[in-house]
Amino acid sequence: DVKVTQSSRYLVKRTGEKVFLECVQDMDHENMFWYRQDPGLGLRLIYFSYDVKMKEKGDIPEGYSVSREKKERFSLILESASTNQTSMYLCASSSPGQTEAFFGQGTRLTVV
Amino acid sequence: AQTVTQSQPEMSVQEAETVTLSCTYDTSESDYYLFWYKQPPSRQMILVIRQEAYKQQNATENRFSVNFQKAAKSFSLKISDSQLGDAAMYFCAYRGYTSGTYKYIFGTGTRLKVLA
Repeated sequence: DVKVTQSSRYLVKRTGEKVFLECVQDMDHENMFWYRQDPGLGLRLIYFSYDVKMKEKGDIPEGYSVSREKKERFSLILESASTNQTSMYLCASSSPGQTEAFFGQGTRLTVV
Repeated sequence: AQTVTQSQPEMSVQEAETVTLSCTYDTSESDYYLFWYKQPPSRQMILVIRQEAYKQQNATENRFSVNFQKAAKSFSLKISDSQLGDAAMYFCAYRGYTSGTYKYIFGTGTRLKVLA
């Protein structure tokens, strides 16, 4: 089974802190994604990556950056956390040979 | 740009009854995939069913089936014999090809309540 693992299930950070959300997948998938989930807004794409060191902006990249130094790991970085970044963050991965995306269990981030 | 719309924020169904969740999408592509994902309270997104756009036959997975109307850009999910474990958020998703790779676009979700 494909496994996508997010480093934290719950996280509480202070305003202005630099926050790292880590995601690791074990299926050698080329594509990895970071989504933000908010009630009534569904899943919105923040950034995605289709190869090591490659990244593309999604629909809501402002205030975020990403890093993909190794194929299996995709990190989401909040440079200076703000309260409006309190949300659920979902990581996903996929491969051209498989049609669906596989998700991690989500990180609920609270910025106080 | 592709979009996915779910117009039902919440639905309820009696146990053992049938419910249909609606989804419409917009795209100019001719080859794509559509999905329904389930997100229970555990938050783990689970694939329920997928549909390939070039296949006219509607996909079926046990109690779950879709009504795929390509011309109308409609993709509804029917759950038959609803069970308490079906209670969850359901997301409709589209896989499109952009910037040299695939990305997934999701609707806003429908919360399904199953009444005993």
